[in-house]
Amino acid sequence: DIQMTQSPSSLSASVGDRVTITCRASQSITSDLNWYQQKPGKAPKLLIYGASSLQSGVPSRFSGSGSGTDFTLTISSLQPEDFATYYCQQSYSTPTFGQGTKVEIK
Amino acid sequence: EVQLVESGGGLVQPGGSLRLSCAASGFTFRNYWMHWVRQAPGKGLVWVSRINSDGTSTRYADSVKGRFTISRDNAKNTVYLQMNSLRAEDTAVYYCARDGDTGYECTLDYWGQGTLVTVSS
Repeated sequence: DIQMTQSPSSLSASVGDRVTITCRASQSITSDLNWYQQKPGKAPKLLIYGASSLQSGVPSRFSGSGSGTDFTLTISSLQPEDFATYYCQQSYSTPTFGQGTKVEIK
Repeated sequence: EVQLVESGGGLVQPGGSLRLSCAASGFTFRNYWMHWVRQAPGKGLVWVSRINSDGTSTRYADSVKGRFTISRDNAKNTVYLQMNSLRAEDTAVYYCARDGDTGYECTLDYWGQGTLVTVSS
């Protein structure tokens, strides 16, 4: 199976900050990379698919980039509702998720 | 509005069985692949299984292969997960999710609210 490694595992940030989360695959997955947001007690929500395409209804402050093995999720200006855990997931082969990055209030 | 509603979770003893259901509405169910994903308490997301649109192709995570069976009834707009030989490590919230219209397989665009399975004596 393809291993997905996210960094950092957690971060503290303030409203208005620019936040970047990285995800690395154990082998090339071309652009088959998705990002999800999960809030406590809730189901995950798709944010980004195909590494850089914004899912319908997701605010434009979220963006994704990368290809091959290295990917990035960026929140351009952190909002109060963005405090959550973020997961990357590869869809190149049998799906696997990263371990998650928890974004907390500073 | 797309809705996925899971049911069937509960407390079961090790070695026991449980069948989860996921009722879909708000879209043409027979056109979509469906998945199950689980999340142990306080842990991350783990993909479990998927089934294609007509039910003729299935795949499983190694951790559940031979013990879990995914199936669907397109007339009832429902996907199932039959879980046998349950172990303590199967304890988790189980989510069903739709494989979306993005053009990328295994991109999960809608999720249910989850159903909790607890395996304990």
